[in-house]
Amino acid sequence: NAGVTQTPKFQVLKTGQSMTLQCAQDMNHNSMYWYRQDPGMGLRLIYYSASEGTTDKGEVPNGYNVSRLNKREFSLRLESAAPSQTSVYFCASRVGTSSNQPQHFGDGTRLSIL
Amino acid sequence: QKEVEQDPGPLSVPEGAIVSLNCTYSNSAFQYFMWYRQYSRKGPELLMYTYSSGNKEDGRFTAQVDKSSKYISLFIRDSQPSDSATYLCAMSGRSGAGNMLTFGGGTRLMVKP
Repeated sequence: NAGVTQTPKFQVLKTGQSMTLQCAQDMNHNSMYWYRQDPGMGLRLIYYSASEGTTDKGEVPNGYNVSRLNKREFSLRLESAAPSQTSVYFCASRVGTSSNQPQHFGDGTRLSIL
Repeated sequence: QKEVEQDPGPLSVPEGAIVSLNCTYSNSAFQYFMWYRQYSRKGPELLMYTYSSGNKEDGRFTAQVDKSSKYISLFIRDSQPSDSATYLCAMSGRSGAGNMLTFGGGTRLMVKP
Protein backbone atom coordinates (compact mmCIF):
# COMPACT_ATOMS: atom_id res chain seq x y z
CA ASN A 1 0.00 0.00 0.00
CA ALA A 2 1.88 3.07 -1.26
CA GLY A 3 -0.40 5.83 0.12
CA VAL A 4 1.52 9.11 -0.23
CA THR A 5 4.90 8.87 -1.94
CA GLN A 6 7.47 11.66 -1.80
CA THR A 7 10.63 11.96 -3.86
CA PRO A 8 13.44 12.47 -3.25
CA LYS A 9 13.92 11.39 0.39
CA PHE A 10 17.06 13.49 0.86
CA GLN A 11 18.59 16.40 -1.01
CA VAL A 12 21.40 18.88 -0.50
CA LEU A 13 21.31 22.12 -2.45
CA LYS A 14 23.45 25.21 -2.69
CA THR A 15 21.98 28.63 -2.07
CA GLY A 16 20.29 29.91 -5.21
CA GLN A 17 19.68 26.51 -6.79
CA SER A 18 16.19 25.46 -7.74
CA MET A 19 14.44 22.21 -7.05
CA THR A 20 11.06 20.51 -7.31
CA LEU A 21 9.78 18.14 -4.63
CA GLN A 22 7.40 15.52 -5.95
CA CYS A 23 4.37 14.05 -4.23
CA ALA A 24 1.91 11.44 -5.48
CA GLN A 25 -1.02 9.73 -3.77
CA ASP A 26 -2.86 6.63 -4.90
CA MET A 27 -5.93 6.94 -2.64
CA ASN A 28 -8.05 9.00 -5.05
CA HIS A 29 -8.00 11.90 -2.58
CA ASN A 30 -9.19 15.33 -3.62
CA SER A 31 -7.16 17.51 -1.24
CA MET A 32 -3.40 17.69 -1.04
CA TYR A 33 -1.05 19.68 1.23
CA TRP A 34 2.57 20.68 1.60
CA TYR A 35 4.03 21.27 5.08
CA ARG A 36 7.44 22.01 6.45
CA GLN A 37 8.59 20.74 9.84
CA ASP A 38 11.28 22.52 11.80
CA PRO A 39 12.53 21.60 15.31
CA GLY A 40 10.09 22.78 17.96
CA MET A 41 7.83 24.43 15.37
CA GLY A 42 5.50 21.59 14.52
CA LEU A 43 4.24 21.38 10.97
CA ARG A 44 3.42 24.58 9.13
CA LEU A 45 1.30 24.64 6.01
CA ILE A 46 3.02 26.02 2.91
CA TYR A 47 0.37 25.50 0.20
CA TYR A 48 -2.64 23.33 -0.30
CA SER A 49 -4.91 22.19 -3.10
CA ALA A 50 -8.51 21.58 -2.11
CA SER A 51 -9.24 19.93 -5.45
CA GLU A 52 -7.66 19.33 -8.83
CA GLY A 53 -7.11 22.66 -10.55
CA THR A 54 -7.00 24.81 -7.40
CA THR A 55 -4.15 25.88 -5.15
CA ASP A 56 -4.04 28.26 -2.18
CA LYS A 57 -1.45 29.73 0.14
CA GLY A 58 -1.00 28.42 3.62
CA GLU A 59 0.81 29.93 6.59
CA VAL A 60 4.34 30.14 5.11
CA PRO A 61 4.13 30.35 1.27
CA ASN A 62 6.96 32.82 0.58
CA GLY A 63 9.76 31.35 -1.54
CA TYR A 64 7.66 28.44 -2.80
CA ASN A 65 5.40 27.61 -5.72
CA VAL A 66 3.17 24.61 -6.27
CA SER A 67 1.53 22.76 -9.14
CA ARG A 68 -1.41 20.39 -8.91
CA LEU A 69 -0.45 18.41 -11.97
CA ASN A 70 -3.48 16.11 -11.82
CA LYS A 71 -5.55 14.50 -9.10
CA ARG A 72 -2.68 12.26 -7.98
CA GLU A 73 0.28 14.64 -8.05
CA PHE A 74 1.13 17.86 -6.21
CA SER A 75 4.62 19.30 -6.57
CA LEU A 76 6.46 21.95 -4.55
CA ARG A 77 9.09 24.13 -6.19
CA LEU A 78 11.86 26.20 -4.67
CA GLU A 79 12.96 28.67 -7.36
CA SER A 80 16.00 30.06 -5.53
CA ALA A 81 16.79 28.04 -2.43
CA ALA A 82 17.84 29.84 0.76
CA PRO A 83 19.39 28.39 3.94
CA SER A 84 16.16 29.31 5.81
CA GLN A 85 14.39 26.70 3.69
CA THR A 86 16.43 23.89 5.21
CA SER A 87 13.71 21.69 6.67
CA VAL A 88 11.82 18.43 6.40
CA TYR A 89 8.99 18.73 3.90
CA PHE A 90 5.85 16.62 4.18
CA CYS A 91 3.13 16.10 1.65
CA ALA A 92 -0.31 15.00 2.80
CA SER A 93 -3.63 14.14 1.21
CA ARG A 94 -7.21 13.89 2.39
CA VAL A 95 -10.42 12.61 0.84
CA GLY A 96 -12.07 16.03 0.97
CA THR A 97 -11.80 19.16 3.05
CA SER A 98 -13.80 18.17 6.12
CA SER A 99 -11.89 18.46 9.38
CA ASN A 100 -13.13 15.05 10.51
CA GLN A 101 -11.30 13.39 7.63
CA PRO A 102 -7.70 12.43 8.46
CA GLN A 103 -4.76 13.74 6.53
CA HIS A 104 -2.43 10.98 5.32
CA PHE A 105 1.23 11.95 5.26
CA GLY A 106 4.20 10.80 3.24
CA ASP A 107 7.53 10.07 4.93
CA GLY A 108 9.05 13.41 4.05
CA THR A 109 11.89 14.95 2.07
CA ARG A 110 14.87 16.08 4.11
CA LEU A 111 16.28 19.16 2.42
CA SER A 112 19.53 20.92 3.37
CA ILE A 113 20.56 24.18 1.76
CA LEU A 114 24.14 25.26 2.15
CA GLN B 1 3.27 33.53 21.30
CA LYS B 2 2.36 30.41 19.36
CA GLU B 3 -1.30 29.57 18.88
CA VAL B 4 -0.68 26.03 20.11
CA GLU B 5 1.86 25.25 22.84
CA GLN B 6 3.22 21.81 23.60
CA ASP B 7 6.01 20.77 25.94
CA PRO B 8 8.77 19.34 23.72
CA GLY B 9 9.98 16.84 26.30
CA PRO B 10 11.56 14.39 26.06
CA LEU B 11 9.26 12.52 28.42
CA SER B 12 10.77 9.27 29.64
CA VAL B 13 8.58 6.69 31.41
CA PRO B 14 8.89 3.01 32.34
CA GLU B 15 6.90 0.41 30.45
CA GLY B 16 3.38 0.07 31.84
CA ALA B 17 3.14 3.67 33.06
CA ILE B 18 0.25 6.00 32.34
CA VAL B 19 1.38 8.82 30.10
CA SER B 20 -0.23 12.25 29.94
CA LEU B 21 0.49 14.53 26.98
CA ASN B 22 -0.94 18.02 26.83
CA CYS B 23 -1.45 21.05 24.64
CA THR B 24 -2.73 24.52 25.36
CA TYR B 25 -4.08 26.87 22.74
CA SER B 26 -5.14 30.47 22.47
CA ASN B 27 -7.61 30.55 19.57
CA SER B 28 -11.14 30.05 20.90
CA ALA B 29 -12.35 29.30 17.36
CA PHE B 30 -10.68 25.88 17.37
CA GLN B 31 -13.25 23.12 17.56
CA TYR B 32 -11.62 20.12 15.86
CA PHE B 33 -8.81 18.50 17.82
CA MET B 34 -6.44 15.78 16.74
CA TRP B 35 -3.46 13.83 18.01
CA TYR B 36 -0.87 12.55 15.56
CA ARG B 37 1.91 10.09 16.29
CA GLN B 38 5.19 10.43 14.43
CA TYR B 39 7.90 7.79 14.50
CA SER B 40 11.47 8.78 13.74
CA ARG B 41 12.06 9.43 10.03
CA LYS B 42 8.37 8.90 9.25
CA GLY B 43 5.36 11.08 8.52
CA PRO B 44 2.70 11.77 11.17
CA GLU B 45 -0.25 9.39 11.42
CA LEU B 46 -3.61 10.26 12.92
CA LEU B 47 -4.14 8.68 16.33
CA MET B 48 -7.23 10.35 17.76
CA TYR B 49 -9.83 12.88 16.62
CA THR B 50 -12.27 14.80 18.82
CA TYR B 51 -14.86 17.38 17.92
CA SER B 52 -15.53 20.10 20.51
CA SER B 53 -15.32 19.28 24.22
CA GLY B 54 -15.39 15.90 25.91
CA ASN B 55 -13.59 12.61 26.04
CA LYS B 56 -12.92 9.94 23.47
CA GLU B 57 -11.45 6.52 24.13
CA ASP B 58 -9.81 4.10 21.72
CA GLY B 59 -8.11 1.10 23.27
CA ARG B 60 -5.26 2.32 25.46
CA PHE B 61 -5.67 5.91 24.28
CA THR B 62 -7.99 8.59 25.68
CA ALA B 63 -8.30 12.10 24.30
CA GLN B 64 -9.78 14.89 26.40
CA VAL B 65 -10.75 18.39 25.35
CA ASP B 66 -11.55 21.21 27.78
CA LYS B 67 -12.52 24.18 25.64
CA SER B 68 -13.22 26.39 28.64
CA SER B 69 -9.56 26.07 29.66
CA LYS B 70 -8.26 25.81 26.08
CA TYR B 71 -6.49 22.61 27.06
CA ILE B 72 -6.36 19.18 25.44
CA SER B 73 -4.80 15.96 26.68
CA LEU B 74 -3.88 12.53 25.41
CA PHE B 75 -3.58 9.70 27.94
CA ILE B 76 -1.84 6.45 27.14
CA ARG B 77 -2.50 3.54 29.51
CA ASP B 78 -0.15 0.60 29.93
CA SER B 79 2.49 2.32 27.81
CA GLN B 80 4.67 0.11 25.61
CA PRO B 81 8.12 0.64 24.10
CA SER B 82 6.36 0.75 20.71
CA ASP B 83 4.63 3.94 21.89
CA SER B 84 8.00 5.72 21.80
CA ALA B 85 7.48 8.47 19.25
CA THR B 86 6.76 12.17 18.95
CA TYR B 87 3.14 13.13 19.61
CA LEU B 88 1.75 16.17 17.84
CA CYS B 89 -1.49 17.87 18.72
CA ALA B 90 -3.33 19.63 15.91
CA MET B 91 -6.49 21.67 15.71
CA SER B 92 -8.63 23.62 13.29
CA GLY B 93 -11.45 26.09 13.52
CA ARG B 94 -13.81 25.03 10.79
CA SER B 95 -14.45 22.40 8.22
CA GLY B 96 -14.59 22.81 4.45
CA ALA B 97 -12.25 24.25 1.87
CA GLY B 98 -9.66 26.52 3.39
CA ASN B 99 -9.64 24.92 6.82
CA MET B 100 -6.08 24.56 8.01
CA LEU B 101 -4.56 22.50 10.75
CA THR B 102 -2.45 24.28 13.36
CA PHE B 103 0.07 21.95 14.95
CA GLY B 104 1.85 22.02 18.27
CA GLY B 105 5.60 21.51 18.24
CA GLY B 106 5.34 17.91 19.41
CA THR B 107 6.30 16.01 22.57
CA ARG B 108 8.90 13.29 22.30
CA LEU B 109 7.96 10.24 24.38
CA MET B 110 10.34 7.44 25.34
CA VAL B 111 8.96 4.30 26.98
CA LYS B 112 11.73 2.21 28.51
CA PRO B 113 11.40 -1.59 28.88
